[in-house]
Amino acid sequence: GAGVSQSPSNKVTEKGKDVELRCDPISGHTALYWYRQSLGQGLEFLIYFQGNSAPDKSGLPSDRFSAERTGGSVSTLTIQRTQQEDSAVYLCASSSGQAGEAFFGQGTRLTVV
Amino acid sequence: DQQVKQNSPSLSVQEGRISILNCDYTNSMFDYFLWYKKYPAEGPTFLISISSIKDKNEDGRFTVFLNKSAKHLSLHIVPSQPGDSAVYFCAASSTSGTYKYIFGTGTRLKVLA
Repeated sequence: GAGVSQSPSNKVTEKGKDVELRCDPISGHTALYWYRQSLGQGLEFLIYFQGNSAPDKSGLPSDRFSAERTGGSVSTLTIQRTQQEDSAVYLCASSSGQAGEAFFGQGTRLTVV
Repeated sequence: DQQVKQNSPSLSVQEGRISILNCDYTNSMFDYFLWYKKYPAEGPTFLISISSIKDKNEDGRFTVFLNKSAKHLSLHIVPSQPGDSAVYFCAASSTSGTYKYIFGTGTRLKVLA
């Protein structure tokens, strides 16, 4: 597809379980971002990948959160031992890496029960 | 600390009038700014951007103004239309850094018919 694709669109998980969220960026985009939006909140930066550089992980809220980007394309955000406060919409975006807009996916709505 | 701030959580405007959304930032290294619009259950979509070498950028009904000395930017929508009702986020990045986008908390705009 032409846009950023995220899967699943919705995920309900039990507290304590691990979850994986997937992001397929726009082909050729070297930069990939993960954000999350909790209910009534803004977009919270989580992690940023740019080409082969070390990712900027400064936004990850705890060591239960990790992300990988394989082959400079698909990215997976993993949350281990999920907690109820992890419930949010997780948004992925990609950009060309130069000054310009980032394009967002539709997001994954994660609900931890 | 919140590096990008949108102090008005909501705004209501009559159709046909001007909508003015404000954004303040604290990091003097930011030199590229963007506005995004977000409808419920969708990812944010890019609206307009401005580089710090400019103080104004216009695209149709949307104009962004940048006041570097005040570390303030604003988005003007003229004339406002009911379809403009959405949450608007401003974002900032440093092109000398990693192009990581930092978002504000958003302003919910409601255009009344």
